[in-house]
Amino acid sequence: LAKTTQPISMDSYEGQEVNITCSHNNIATNDYITWYQQFPSQGPRFIIQGYKTKVTNEVASLFIPADRKSSTLSLPRVSLSDTAVYYCLRTYFTGGGNKLTFGTGTQLKVEL
Amino acid sequence: DTGVSQDPRHKITKRGQNVTFRCDPISEHNRLYWYRQTLGQGPEFLTYFQNEAQLEKSRLLSDRFSAERPKGSFSTLEIQRTEQGDSAMYLCASSHPFDEQYFGPGTRLTVT
Repeated sequence: LAKTTQPISMDSYEGQEVNITCSHNNIATNDYITWYQQFPSQGPRFIIQGYKTKVTNEVASLFIPADRKSSTLSLPRVSLSDTAVYYCLRTYFTGGGNKLTFGTGTQLKVEL
Repeated sequence: DTGVSQDPRHKITKRGQNVTFRCDPISEHNRLYWYRQTLGQGPEFLTYFQNEAQLEKSRLLSDRFSAERPKGSFSTLEIQRTEQGDSAMYLCASSHPFDEQYFGPGTRLTVT
């Protein structure tokens, strides 16, 4: 499964909205887009998942345009505790399993 | 249930020794995954189980690696004749089919 492309790093300040864009030009019909967050020395944590248009939960929003070749994770009003690595993944659900293919992720640094 | 647990959290071993890691998934999850993560990289898939059956293994999983899930509950990952290149974080995750994966805190292996 091909990896996605996302910025290596981003900087922001507390209280700002952060948008991390992910490119997946050759996304397949059955692929979903999934975002995970990882803090140092911890396992990744699921944030949000979508197929197209907009998905919102209590921590983030995910925007996927009609062509599905890219997606944007939006974190509203970030705080210092949002400093972490964020991974964008194509997730293909099959009866045989759904192994995840991680890239290098985006290191988000939030400052005061 | 408190989530996925892994034991030990840290392991230091000498080259050539065997090591075994344990993963206890979320109790109702029938899928269990092992990943390996090196510094600055995203996790890489190693293998996965559905109940007690090991259904897929990555080419990363050399003959020195073996994983089991004998009763469809906890799983063990053994590395024989460890090499310095085996130094990494070993992550376990579990899930329902077609659902997001929940990761444990990982076992950090250092081979000296």
